[in-house]
Amino acid sequence: TQLLEQSPQFLSIQEGENLTVYCNSSSVFSSLQWYRQEPGEGPVLLVTVVTGGEVKKLKRLTFQFGDARKDSSLHITAAQPGDTGLYLCAGVYTSGTYKYIFGTGTRLKVLA
Amino acid sequence: GAGVSQTPSNKVTEKGKYVELRCDPISGHTALYWYRQSLGQGPEFLIYFQGTGAADDSGLPNDRFFAVRPEGSVSTLKIQRTERGDSAVYLCASSIDSQETQYFGPGTRLLVL
Repeated sequence: TQLLEQSPQFLSIQEGENLTVYCNSSSVFSSLQWYRQEPGEGPVLLVTVVTGGEVKKLKRLTFQFGDARKDSSLHITAAQPGDTGLYLCAGVYTSGTYKYIFGTGTRLKVLA
Repeated sequence: GAGVSQTPSNKVTEKGKYVELRCDPISGHTALYWYRQSLGQGPEFLIYFQGTGAADDSGLPNDRFFAVRPEGSVSTLKIQRTERGDSAVYLCASSIDSQETQYFGPGTRLLVL
C-alpha cells in the first residue's frame, strides 16, 4: 500500500511566522501535488511539481520536490490567518492508470 | 461556470440500509474520481472513471461498494448494507482528462447510525 506521511499533523502559529510542512514516501511518483482544503469544501489544487529537485513559488508559498521524487515540502513565509486550512500532498502514479494517493494531511491554524 | 456538484450534501442512514450518492461533474470532463475522507485524514482513492468505464476500481473497500457512470457524465456511488465504519465524507472530482487538474466537489457527508 502506497503511503504518504505528512508532518507535522497539526500546526498552530502566530501571524507573521514561517513554517514548513513535509510530505514523505518510500515510493517514487511521476509528479506530486499540493492542495488546500477548507471546512465543508473539497481540496483545491495549489501546485504540481514534476521534476526531481524542482522548486515552485506561489506568492508566499514555496514548494520543493525531492531529487528522488519521493518527498516534497511546502514552506510558507509570513503566514497569515487566511492561510488556515488543511494542506494535503498527493502523489501521482501514471503506470497503467492515472492515480492520486493523498497524504495524511497537515492542519494549519494561523492566529491573528 | 458550474463546478462539480454532489448530492445530497448530508445523508444520515441506519446500519444495514442502502445509499446512493450522486456526482455531477463539470461539463465535458471525461475523467471522474471518487474518494472517501475520514475525519482529520486525507482523501482515500476509491474508483476512477474514464468516460463510461471504470478504469481503476482498486480502491473500493469491498463488494458492498459499487459505482456507475452510464452516460459518461453523472456518476452514482452505491453502498449496500451500510456499516458504521462507512461514515465519512465522500468526495467526487472531475478533470478534462486524467492528466489534467482535478476539480473537487464539496462532498457528501454520510453518517451511518
